[in-house]
Formats: sequence, structure tokens, C-alpha cells
Amino acid sequence: EAQVTQNPRYLITVTGKKLTVTCSQNMNHEYMSWYRQDPGLGLRQIYYSMNVEVTDKGDVPEGYKVSRKEKRNFPLILESPSPNQTSLYFCASSKRLAVTGELFFGEGSRLTVL
Amino acid sequence: SQQGEEDPQALSIQEGENATMNCSYKTSINNLQWYRQNSGRGLVHLILIRSNEREKHSGRLRVTLDTSKKSSSLLITASRAADTASYFCATANTGNQFYFGTGTSLTVIP
Repeated sequence: EAQVTQNPRYLITVTGKKLTVTCSQNMNHEYMSWYRQDPGLGLRQIYYSMNVEVTDKGDVPEGYKVSRKEKRNFPLILESPSPNQTSLYFCASSKRLAVTGELFFGEGSRLTVL
Repeated sequence: SQQGEEDPQALSIQEGENATMNCSYKTSINNLQWYRQNSGRGLVHLILIRSNEREKHSGRLRVTLDTSKKSSSLLITASRAADTASYFCATANTGNQFYFGTGTSLTVIP
């Protein structure tokens, strides 16, 4: 089954404790991206990647890192989480260029930073 | 911010009625897409309309695009309780970034 898998789905952590949210897709998609969703603000793009070893900042990259060492994986790293990073995070992927195709979303990772 | 905006923010209708939601955006686009999100779940792609298209249909969905006004509308005909969800428009520019609107929350009352 074609899917985007995120882990963990739910996480409560404390300020400053590094964490990684994994994202994996089995559709051989070139394009992958991360979003955060906050009430009243919709989805905002954090980072995106056009292919292996190619990553670019989205609208809200501060406090986040990503890497794309393999085509299927695109982890989101919070080196020193802060309470304002409490949010619902989504990973998404798309075939070829994002401008020509639809995004496939994971089920989301709800992160709480205390 | 280059985010779009949906209007209305919330919409409540009776089952069988039509639901119309609108999206305005700010920049030139290659395409505009509509997504649906059930509460707390991932977004699901509904329909894509390219910048050179004016109208597109898919089942009970009808999307229009007016690039001169930088706006789009999504019409869901003969709504069902299962259509209850949030609906987002998303625009893609030449820079391969997606910009999502703030969403319309649709409630269909059985």
C-alpha cells in the first residue's frame, strides 16, 4: 500500500531535549516536505527536499533541521525544542516536481514541548 | 506571508445541500489544489486545477479558478454527513513551495 509513515504519532517532551520525527515513503517520490499545523494558521512549510541531498527552507525553518540521505526518508530534527514548537506536524511527498503533482500526507505527529 | 485564505472559516449545512467555499491567494501560480482533512488526520488530495484551466469537475466536486482575481472556489454538490471535514486550498509556485490556506471547516448535518 502506498503510504507516508511518520513516527512517533504522539510525543511529549521537555524543553531542550533533542528529538527526531521520522518520515518514510514507499512511493519512490522525489519531493518530500514537512509542515506544521497550528490553529488559525493553517499549514506552514518548514523544509522541503527535491531529491537526495537537496533540501531547502520553507516559511518557518527556524529551530528545525532536516536531512535527505536516502530517497525514501526525510527526518525532521528538533535540536533544542521549545514550547513554541508544540504543534501538529505533517510529512508529505510527491512524485517528480511538486508543482505538477499532488501531495501525499502522513497521518501527523502531535508534539508537545513542556 | 504568501498563505492563501479560505472563506468562510466555518460552514454548516443540511445534508443534500450544496457547499461552496472560496480561496484567495497572493502570488502567481502553476496550479491550485484542494485538500480535505478529517479531524486530526492527514490531508487528502481532492482535485488539482492548472493555471490555464478555468473549471474542473470530479464526481460531486466542481472547482473554478480565476487567475485575474487570484481566487478559486470549491463546490460540493448534494453534500453528505461524511463530507464533514476541513477543506484547504494549496497553491504551488515555480519555486516548488506549497502554500496552504487557513481552511474552511464544513459541518454537514444529517
